[in-house]
Amino acid sequence: ELKVEQNPLFLSMQEGKNYTIYCNYSTTSDRLYWYRQDPGKSLESLFVLLSNGAVKQEGRLMASLDTKARLSTLHITAAVHDLSATYFCAVGEYNDMRFGAGTRLTVKP
Amino acid sequence: DTEVTQTPKHLVMGMTNKKSLKCEQHMGHRAMYWYKQKAKKPPELMFVYSYEKLSINESVPSRFSPECPNSSLLNLHLHALQPEDSALYLCASSGGQALQETQYFGPGTRLLVL
Repeated sequence: ELKVEQNPLFLSMQEGKNYTIYCNYSTTSDRLYWYRQDPGKSLESLFVLLSNGAVKQEGRLMASLDTKARLSTLHITAAVHDLSATYFCAVGEYNDMRFGAGTRLTVKP
Repeated sequence: DTEVTQTPKHLVMGMTNKKSLKCEQHMGHRAMYWYKQKAKKPPELMFVYSYEKLSINESVPSRFSPECPNSSLLNLHLHALQPEDSALYLCASSGGQALQETQYFGPGTRLLVL
C-alpha cells in the first residue's frame, strides 16, 4: 500500500527564518506533487517533480525530489506571513494518489 | 480558461435525500477526479475518470455514484448518505493520462448530512 508521511505536522515560524518540510513515501514512484491549501479553500498546485534530482523554485519556496531515498523536501526561505497555510505533498502511482497528512504552517511577525 | 467549477458551494441534505454534485472544466483535460476531504485531513481519492471512462474506484460505498456525461463534465450522485459522509468534496482535472500530471482543483462543495 502506498504510504506518504509528512513532517512536521505543525510548524510555527518567525518571519525571515528558513525551514524545511519533509515528505517520505513508500513506493518507487517518481511523481511527487506539492499543494497549498488555505483555510476553507481548495488546493492550489505548487510544484510537480517528475524525476530524481528534480528541483523547482517559485519565490520563497523550493522543492526537490530524491527518488532513491523516497524523499521530497519543501524549503521555505525567509518566511513571510502570506505563506501561512497547510502544505500537502502527494505521490502518484498508476492506480493511486495519496496525500501526506499536511503541514500546517504559521508564520508570525 | 484554467478553472474548475463546482456547484453547489454548500449542500445540506437528509439521509433519505438524493442530490447531485456537479463539476465542469474547459481546459481540455481528459482525466477528472472526485476527492473527499474531512476537516483537518488530507484529500482522499474516490473516483478517477480517464477519457470519460471510470478507471479507478477506490472501494467507495455505492451510495456515491459518479457519472461523466462528457469530457468537460463530472457529476457525483448522492443517495442515502450517512452523517459521517459530511465533508468537503473536491473535483479536479488533469491533462494527459490519469494521475500522471498535476491536478487542478475546483473550490469544492461543502456537504452536511443531517
